[in-house]
Amino acid sequence: SAVISQKPSRDICQRGTSLTIQCQVDSQVTMMFWYRQQPGQSLTLIATANQGSEATYESGFVIDKFPISRPNLTFSTLTVSNMSPEDSSIYLCSVLTGSGRKILHFGNGTRLTVT
Amino acid sequence: KNQVEQSPQSLIILEGKNCTLQCNYTVSPFSNLRWYKQDTGRGPVSLTIMTFSENTKSNGRYTATLDADTKQSSLHITASQLSDSASYICVVSASLTSGTYKYIFGTGTRLKVLA
Repeated sequence: SAVISQKPSRDICQRGTSLTIQCQVDSQVTMMFWYRQQPGQSLTLIATANQGSEATYESGFVIDKFPISRPNLTFSTLTVSNMSPEDSSIYLCSVLTGSGRKILHFGNGTRLTVT
Repeated sequence: KNQVEQSPQSLIILEGKNCTLQCNYTVSPFSNLRWYKQDTGRGPVSLTIMTFSENTKSNGRYTATLDADTKQSSLHITASQLSDSASYICVVSASLTSGTYKYIFGTGTRLKVLA
């Protein structure tokens, strides 16, 4: 099991600004994931963050827009840069734990509104 | 194309009643299927995980079934409670040649239980 703390839980930001979301896990994990959940849509993987290496981004997401840091095995940040209203969404941090049948655990998300 | 489709999109039932949620998938190569519960304002929480060889898995009042031949799964909720009001998300994982996994999320069924 894993307890994931995500900050902030919500924010309202002006277009053109940037927001950094923090994700803290109560145990060391190799892989951390960042997802976006838009209203009425399924979760979409933004990138996979491995400690000690650059994040791997999914199609449609780029490092300049969503820079990610992974300084150690329990912490990661996602920055949403130069925001526009289209970035309004819930951003979720996730980790895989366990051996064999791994479980995907999620933080409670950051609800971002861009005005 | 890997896809996970859930039905119905939303459902309203009275407290104490049973209900069944559906999940159809076209994911290859299939690894396992998971059901998650997502309360409003919270991250998804794992309910069940089933591999190819498992037909049914229970977690309290939640029972998931899997038919790997027809690529269908269902989540049955027995004697519903007000606290069951949430979104239920079906997630299918595909094994990649790299040895990692890709998770494909459905859009969820929003369940509301009325007193």
